[in-house]
Amino acid sequence: GAVVSQHPSRVICKSGTSVKIECRSLDFQATTMFWYRQFPKQSLMLMATSNEGSKATYEQGVEKDKFLINHASLTLSTLTVTSAHPEDSSFYICSASIQRNEQFFGPGTRLTVL
Amino acid sequence: GENVEQHPSTLSVQEGDSAVIKCTYSDSASNYFPWYKQELGKRPQLIIDIRSNVGEKKDQRIAVTLNKTAKHFSLHITETQPEDSAVYFCAATGSGGSNYKLTFGKGTLLTVNP
Repeated sequence: GAVVSQHPSRVICKSGTSVKIECRSLDFQATTMFWYRQFPKQSLMLMATSNEGSKATYEQGVEKDKFLINHASLTLSTLTVTSAHPEDSSFYICSASIQRNEQFFGPGTRLTVL
Repeated sequence: GENVEQHPSTLSVQEGDSAVIKCTYSDSASNYFPWYKQELGKRPQLIIDIRSNVGEKKDQRIAVTLNKTAKHFSLHITETQPEDSAVYFCAATGSGGSNYKLTFGKGTLLTVNP
């Protein structure tokens, strides 16, 4: 149980284009979903927290107009990187929470912006 | 907000030896402390966690201790094996709100030499 999927696993795009990443909780309803970014050899940095049906809460320094988060249902959250640039290249990981504290992570999406 | 410090950044041990990774946190209201193992390019996997109402928890070769007064917690791996080689992250929940967002340490690269 508590399986989280992400799609796509890898994406390569041209600078200036937008990329959408999906995060799904497959066998449970997630009250909260989180989006992280991880640069090579670094830790996970929380970008935003999203609850179903409400606006996401972004961490300081994360541009909400650049990283659009939609949490349309209890099993799906999407992250759209708008007007991507090479510095946005990173490993994006989502997680979903069922109950207090514990988070289950998706397999991650490797984004490369050319 | 919460700040989590993790040491050491790298740790190399011989197979069969023990490995200890230490973390400190800043927010005295934090109440959940998970440890994750992450292999290259993969998702973080929860290996053990502890809540603030207990001081120690053990699961086979892995144990975690928590000192709330000193605000530090440690991961202990005994009888290490080459497959334990990975990056290990500690994390802690910050206070405020009900979203239980995690703050991660910077990670420890553990290498177990055969």
